[in-house]
Amino acid sequence: DQQVKQNSPSLSVQEGRISILNCDYTNSMFDYFLWYKKYPAEGPTFLISISSIKDKNEDGRFTVFLNKSAKHLSLHIVPSQPGDSAVYFCAARTTSGTYKYIFGTGTRLKVLA
Amino acid sequence: DTAVSQTPKYLVTQMGNDKSIKCEQNLGHDTMYWYKQDSKKFLKIMFSYNNKELIINETVPNRFSPKSPDKAHLNLHINSLELGDSAVYFCASSQDVAGGPRETQYFGPGTRLLVL
Repeated sequence: DQQVKQNSPSLSVQEGRISILNCDYTNSMFDYFLWYKKYPAEGPTFLISISSIKDKNEDGRFTVFLNKSAKHLSLHIVPSQPGDSAVYFCAARTTSGTYKYIFGTGTRLKVLA
Repeated sequence: DTAVSQTPKYLVTQMGNDKSIKCEQNLGHDTMYWYKQDSKKFLKIMFSYNNKELIINETVPNRFSPKSPDKAHLNLHINSLELGDSAVYFCASSQDVAGGPRETQYFGPGTRLLVL
């Protein structure tokens, strides 16, 4: 049962344009959401997070939006750069028992020069 | 000066063998994790240790046994390897457990296991 879904396996964007990566979740009890970025042959690295009490968090070129009623979050990258080409994983934190992260399957972003 | 390191990076072995993957972190973190990324790209937690104590043990076959000799190390031993164990195994660490103020997880580069 996939509680965190990234329905777009890949996305291509022109350099300088906006990249929008989407993530949907099914468990309304998730209280914290994260985005990780992964380059080939490397482990995921933390990018940005958002608490469920907020609807937006911004860090430089990266902004995460959370729509709790739709159980949807998105990552915006503006402007996109070729170095942003990577796989982006969305994750959500559970709140029952010992907290843990549930990851999506990732979206491969390719930024074209 | 790698923060979270794993050895080996690649592991090719026959069905039925026993193998170990080692993980070390030099960040001074108290919590360490093993994740498995399967062929469908799901990244799922397997185990977590906090101060050498097992705190998360997902539904994983008991052929998988983690061991934390100290806070900086978390090893994963797999007995009687099966074809379905082929995956990328990631180690991670964080200062606090998930839900704590310093919960950000730092991942190692992964170990690519192929069982033939």
